[in-house]
This record gives sequence, C-alpha cells and structure tokens, in this order.
Amino acid sequence: EVQLVQSGAEVIEPGESLRISCKASGYSFPDSWIGWVRQMPGKDLEWMGIIFPRDSDTRYSPSFQGQVTISVDKSISTAYLQWSSLKASNTAMYYCVRLKRIGPMPEGYFDYWGQGTLVTVSS
Amino acid sequence: QSALTQPASVSGSPGQSIAISCTGTTSDVGGYNLVSWYQQHPGKAPKLMIFEVSNRPSGVSNRFSGSKSGNTASLTISGLQAEDEADYYCCSYAGRSAWVFGGGTKVTVL
Repeated sequence: EVQLVQSGAEVIEPGESLRISCKASGYSFPDSWIGWVRQMPGKDLEWMGIIFPRDSDTRYSPSFQGQVTISVDKSISTAYLQWSSLKASNTAMYYCVRLKRIGPMPEGYFDYWGQGTLVTVSS
Repeated sequence: QSALTQPASVSGSPGQSIAISCTGTTSDVGGYNLVSWYQQHPGKAPKLMIFEVSNRPSGVSNRFSGSKSGNTASLTISGLQAEDEADYYCCSYAGRSAWVFGGGTKVTVL
C-alpha cells in the first residue's frame, strides 16, 4: 500500500527557516516523481514543484521558483520542502503528492497525497 | 499558468445528477488528456476521483464520471448522495513539467 506520511504541524516566527518532510512507503521511491502542493487558508490548490529522487532532477512552478527548495534523501525514502526565511504569507497547508507518470517524461497526475502539514507563520 | 475556471458552487438534491465544469486553454485542458479530479472533505487531504479525463481509480464509485470537450472538462456525479458533499478540484498537465489546478467547486447536497 502506497503511503505518504508528513511531519507534524509547525508554528514558526517570521524570518525563521523551516524544513518539512514526507516519508514514502509501499513503492519504489527512487523511481517516482514526488512533489508538493500548497493550500492557503480557505483557498484553492497550487502546484509548487516536483523532484525525481533517483537523480534529484527538480522542476518548480514559476510562482515558487526561488522561494522554496525541494530535496530528497533516498536512503530514508523522504522528500523535503524547505524555506530559508518564512513570511506570514507562507501560512498554509502543504501536501506532498506522488506523480503517476504516464510516459518517459514527468507528465501525468497525482495519485497519492500525504495527510498535509499545516505551517503557521506568526510572531 | 492561470488557474483553471470552475464554478464556485453547485448544488443538487439526493438522487439527482450534477456536473462541474473546468475551463482552461489549449495549453492545458485542451492540449492534453491529462485532466484529473480531486474530492476534498473539510479538514482532509484531497482524494483522486478521476484521472486522464475519464478514468476512475479502483474503489471510486461509478457514480463519478469525467469527460472533456475542447478546452472544457467536466465531472458528473450521478445519484447524488449526502457523502458527496465536498469541494472538488480539477487539475490539468500544462506542459513543460507543470500542472495547474482549478479554483475549486463546493458541492452542496440539499
């Protein structure tokens, strides 16, 4: 059974750094793209980026390029999303997602979702 | 990429059928057969309901169906049930390893 288990909720002060995690199981982690989706309070879903664990090839949405860093640790089947300096506008729920690829290129749909990590940025 | 356009809300009585539209462009919905639909209950993670325009994952009720015409995709829920009350989001591959979501539709069962 495929599972994506995310780290717990965080309350962070503006300007601090943060890394949240997503541990995958039930499939070959190195061979499936994994990504992140943001949902701001009461708002819609926004695709942030994806990474291919085998070689760390990473693709970012233009809206998030330079704002976040996506990485993986293949040895523990875990993907990460990190910020170097958080702002109040980063307050949101963040979901990790697995991409079901339909061909050799990173295109397809998101078939499994983590439970979400709520990040609250407040002083 | 701009978000796909969905109606903010759709409602129906138990047993009725409703349809949710999702309008994009030739760069996303119209350009690829990679439209997916997600159901999200309050406080829960989204769940895949339809993939590749019209395919249902194992375990999803056959009351849910998807279609596409040109730049507009649609999700139809037939035999509406109380448990179908949720938010629904469409998503499309938009080329160059990018995806775009719709603004979401709140389905209310009257």
